[in-house]
Amino acid sequence: DQQVKQNSPSLSVQEGRISILNCDYTNSMFDYFLWYKKYPAEGPTFLISISSIKDKNEDGRFTVFLNKSAKHLSLHIVPSQPGDSAVYFCAASAVRGAQKLVFGQGTRLTINP
Amino acid sequence: NAGVMQNPRHLVRRRGQEARLRCSPMKGHSHVYWYRQLPEEGLKFMVYLQKENIIDESGMPKERFSAEFPKEGPSILRIQQVVRGDSAAYFCASSPPLTGGRYEQYFGPGTRLTVT
Repeated sequence: DQQVKQNSPSLSVQEGRISILNCDYTNSMFDYFLWYKKYPAEGPTFLISISSIKDKNEDGRFTVFLNKSAKHLSLHIVPSQPGDSAVYFCAASAVRGAQKLVFGQGTRLTINP
Repeated sequence: NAGVMQNPRHLVRRRGQEARLRCSPMKGHSHVYWYRQLPEEGLKFMVYLQKENIIDESGMPKERFSAEFPKEGPSILRIQQVVRGDSAAYFCASSPPLTGGRYEQYFGPGTRLTVT
């Protein structure tokens, strides 16, 4: 039972353009969402998060959008840079319950020069 | 401020041996989580601990796996009688007290366990 899904295993974007990574969830108890970036042989690095009381959160080049009715969130990176090439994981938690994070399968983003 | 530390980074064990993975949380963090990542998959939650307490172990296999976070020292994930299917990357994460409406977890570099 995959409660958090990232349906695109990979994404290729031109340097300087916008990268949009998508994530869907099924559990309506989730109320906190996070994006992590991961390089090979390293641990995930926290990027940005959003609470279910908001529909948008912005931090520099990164913006996360949350559509609760569609149970969908997306991460926008603009402008994309070569150093953004990595695997991106979406994660969700039900804060009022356990604090465990439920992760998607990841999307491999490649930024082409 | 040092991040989450894990050791060893790589661990090779033969089938039937024991594996001990260590995690030191970030300074000021009192919550520790363990996750496992199998090849080509996302991270899967295993256990959530606070000092001397297991809060949620719903992701832990029922046998051979145990975890602790003692009053002094690092958190330990212990796998007894390892099998080939235990080969994976094991990540530890920590978080500060859960206040202020923010619930990020910060991950260590992981321990890559290979069972031969």
